[in-house]
Amino acid sequence: SQQGEEDPQALSIQEGENATMNCSYKTSINNLQWYRQNSGRGLVHLILIRSNEREKHSGRLRVTLDTSKKSSSLLITASRAADTASYFCATGGNNRLAFGKGNQVVVIP
Amino acid sequence: GAVVSQHPSRVICKSGTSVKIECRSLDFQATTMFWYRQFPKQSLMLMATSNEGSKATYEQGVEKDKFLINHASLTLSTLTVTSAHPEDSSFYICSASRGGTSYNEQFFGPGTRLTVL
Repeated sequence: SQQGEEDPQALSIQEGENATMNCSYKTSINNLQWYRQNSGRGLVHLILIRSNEREKHSGRLRVTLDTSKKSSSLLITASRAADTASYFCATGGNNRLAFGKGNQVVVIP
Repeated sequence: GAVVSQHPSRVICKSGTSVKIECRSLDFQATTMFWYRQFPKQSLMLMATSNEGSKATYEQGVEKDKFLINHASLTLSTLTVTSAHPEDSSFYICSASRGGTSYNEQFFGPGTRLTVL
């Protein structure tokens, strides 16, 4: 199955700063998704980028996709304390998702 | 729309007992439901995929007799952890897909924290 794998990171930043996290995967994809998980909670879908897209924006989120390098990045601009969470990328086919290891982001007020 | 609930949110049980976790799609019909397991500070691992009215498809390494999945209706799937042991302690998350979309988006429940003593 396809597997998204982030570079394991634990980011600690000040409120207002930008947070960038990366994800790499191994096989060809149709799309790649990013999710947020607050501690002890379920996942919230953030954004999906299709394989023919290179960049996508949603509010303070910016996602890039480089299919030649099989990698994606998620940028959160002007971070807020409420952005403190774990962020996962996921790839999938045939209705199955494979999640990466996740990046834990702590935004210090 | 697209809300998924799980019950219970937290359960503590004795070793050897069975625990049932419910996953419900509240405002849509879920053609497919998924069950994931997550250990602390780790990613989600897909355990099984279930379609309404048919047997679940389990991922490699997941014991189907240990983790019984029933998808009796388009809005309800249950996961029963049979003869639970401390190593089954984990965070279990379900998701539901309503199909019909180009990428079959999954909507996640809030998770169930299982602790086996």
